[in-house]
Amino acid sequence: QQQVKQSPQSLIVQKGGISIINCAYENTAFDYFPWYQQFPGKGPALLIAIRPDVSEKKEGRFTISFNKSAKQFSLHIMDSQPGDSATYFCAASKGFQKLVFGTGTRLLVSP
Amino acid sequence: NAGVTQTPKFQVLKTGQSMTLQCAQDMNHEYMSWYRQDPGMGLRLIHYSVGAGITDQGEVPNGYNVSRSTTEDFPLRLLSAAPSQTSVYFCASRKAGLDGYTFGSGTRLTVV
Repeated sequence: QQQVKQSPQSLIVQKGGISIINCAYENTAFDYFPWYQQFPGKGPALLIAIRPDVSEKKEGRFTISFNKSAKQFSLHIMDSQPGDSATYFCAASKGFQKLVFGTGTRLLVSP
Repeated sequence: NAGVTQTPKFQVLKTGQSMTLQCAQDMNHEYMSWYRQDPGMGLRLIHYSVGAGITDQGEVPNGYNVSRSTTEDFPLRLLSAAPSQTSVYFCASRKAGLDGYTFGSGTRLTVV
């Protein structure tokens, strides 16, 4: 049972472009939606997170858009750079405890 | 601060063998979790702990045991390894009241 569905599986974006990754969740009890970034051979690292009381959160080039009625949220990476090439995971939980992760998106930013 | 330290980094086991994956954190984090990462499946929660002496099951607990005798350490025990347990295992910790888990660098386990 996939509680958090993530798409696309992989993404190629040119340098300077916008990368968009989408996630959809099923459990309406979820109230915390983080995005994690993972480089090869490393553990995931928290990138940005949102609670459902706001529809958008921006930190630098990274923005989360959240649509509570559609049960969807997305990550936008503006002015994508080669250093952003990594695997991105969305996740959801009730509270901060038992994170349920999406299946991941491998992003490649071409120079 | 070393953060979250996992040992070993790589391990090959034969089917039926047992072993313990070690996890230690030096940040005085109350919450600790074990995840496994498999291609196309993301990360799935195995077990977690909200403090010393308290553990609970996650999404995929079968075949694994945990204990939390100290705040710092959260070992994961494979009782009788099976090829289906071939995976990359991540330990993570979090400070109570704050979001954002700190992950270790993982243990790549192969069961043959």
